[in-house]
Amino acid sequence: DVKVTQSSRYLVKRTGEKVFLECVQDMDHENMFWYRQDPGLGLRLIYFSYDVKMKEKGDIPEGYSVSREKKERFSLILESASTNQTSMYLCASIRLAGGWEQYFGPGTRLTVT
Amino acid sequence: AQTVTQSQPEMSVQEAETVTLSCTYDTSESDYYLFWYKQPPSRQMILVIRQEAYKQQNATENRFSVNFQKAAKSFSLKISDSQLGDAAMYFCAYQHGSSNTGKLIFGQGTTLQVKP
Repeated sequence: DVKVTQSSRYLVKRTGEKVFLECVQDMDHENMFWYRQDPGLGLRLIYFSYDVKMKEKGDIPEGYSVSREKKERFSLILESASTNQTSMYLCASIRLAGGWEQYFGPGTRLTVT
Repeated sequence: AQTVTQSQPEMSVQEAETVTLSCTYDTSESDYYLFWYKQPPSRQMILVIRQEAYKQQNATENRFSVNFQKAAKSFSLKISDSQLGDAAMYFCAYQHGSSNTGKLIFGQGTTLQVKP
């Protein structure tokens, strides 16, 4: 079974803090994704990575950065957290593109106060 | 740009009954995939069913089936014999067929309540 894990289920941070969300997958998948989930908006892509050290912006990259130093690990970084970044963050991975299933982590619910 | 629309924020169904969740999408591509994902409360998102656009036959997975209308760009999910465990948020998603990234474009989601 593919397993995608995220470092925290719940996280509370203060405005201005630097926040790291980590995602690890154990199936040697090439591509990994970070989504943000908000009510009424569905999932929106923040960033994705198609190889170690390779990344591309998604639809809403502002205020976020990512790091992929190892194939199995993909980190989302909030350089200076703001209250409008309070949300559910989901990580996903996929072995191949084109019709293949994305596997999701359990999500991190981040609250910025 | 491709878009996916789920116009039903919430739906409810009686246990053992059938319910249909709607999804429409917009694309100029001919090669693509469509998915329904299920997100149970406090649990991980999982794939329910997948449809290749080039296949005319509607996909089915046990109690789950789709009605894929390519010309109308409609992709509805039918859940038969609904069970309490079907209660979840359901997302419709689109993936470009020749994509080398596997990126998904999601709809807004539909919350399904199953009444005992």
